[in-house]
Amino acid sequence: AQSVTQLDSQVPVFEEAPVELRCNYSSSVSVYLFWYVQYPNQGLQLLLKYLSGSTLVKGINGFEAEFNKSQTSFHLRKPSVHISDTAEYFCAVSDPGNTGKLIFGQGTTLQVKP
Amino acid sequence: DAGITQSPRHKVTETGTPVTLRCHQTENHRYMYWYRQDPGHGLRLIHYSYGVKDTDKGEVSDGYSVSRSKTEDFLLTLESATSSQTSVYFCAISEAQETQYFGPGTRLLVL
Repeated sequence: AQSVTQLDSQVPVFEEAPVELRCNYSSSVSVYLFWYVQYPNQGLQLLLKYLSGSTLVKGINGFEAEFNKSQTSFHLRKPSVHISDTAEYFCAVSDPGNTGKLIFGQGTTLQVKP
Repeated sequence: DAGITQSPRHKVTETGTPVTLRCHQTENHRYMYWYRQDPGHGLRLIHYSYGVKDTDKGEVSDGYSVSRSKTEDFLLTLESATSSQTSVYFCAISEAQETQYFGPGTRLLVL
C-alpha cells in the first residue's frame, strides 16, 4: 500500500530565511504528488501538484517542489518565508486512474518567527 | 474557491447517537470524498463516491456509512457515534481524479 512520510513534524524558521519541508513516498509506480497548506481553523488549499512533465513544479505564494523519482521524494521549498506562511503543510500522493484517492503524510507545522 | 460547503460546521453529540454530516458542492464534480483529520495522522479517507449512488470504502470506513442521491450532495453518517469518532471531518471534490478541492471542515465532539 502507498504511504507518505513527512520527515519533520515541526520546522521553526526565522522570517526571510529559506525553508525546505521534506516528503518521501513509497510507491515505485507512476504517481501524482501534491502539497496542501492548512491555515488555522481552515480547510486545505492546494499549493502545487506534480502530474507529469518537468520535475520542478512552481506553486502559489512563492513555493516550489522538486519531484525526484529515484529517491521517491517531493520536497517543498521557499527561498524566503514570511510570517504569513505559518501553517500546517501536507504532502499527498495518488495513483493515476485510481479514483483519485489521496494518501496523506502526517503533516509538518511551519513556524515562522520574527 | 471551489463551491463546497459543509454542515454543520460544529457539532457536539453524545455516545450512541446517530450523526449525519452534509457536503454540498456547486461545481458538478463527479468525485466526492470524506476524510477525517486527527493529530499525527494527517487526513485519512473514510469513503468516497465516483458518481450518484456509486460509493466505496476508504482506509478508515468502520462505523461510517455514506449516501449520494444527487451529484451535489454527499452525506456521511455515524450510525452510533463513539468517542473515537471525535475529529475534524473534511469533504473534498474532484472532476478528473487529479486535484481535490476541500471544504471548510466540520468539528465533531462525541461525549
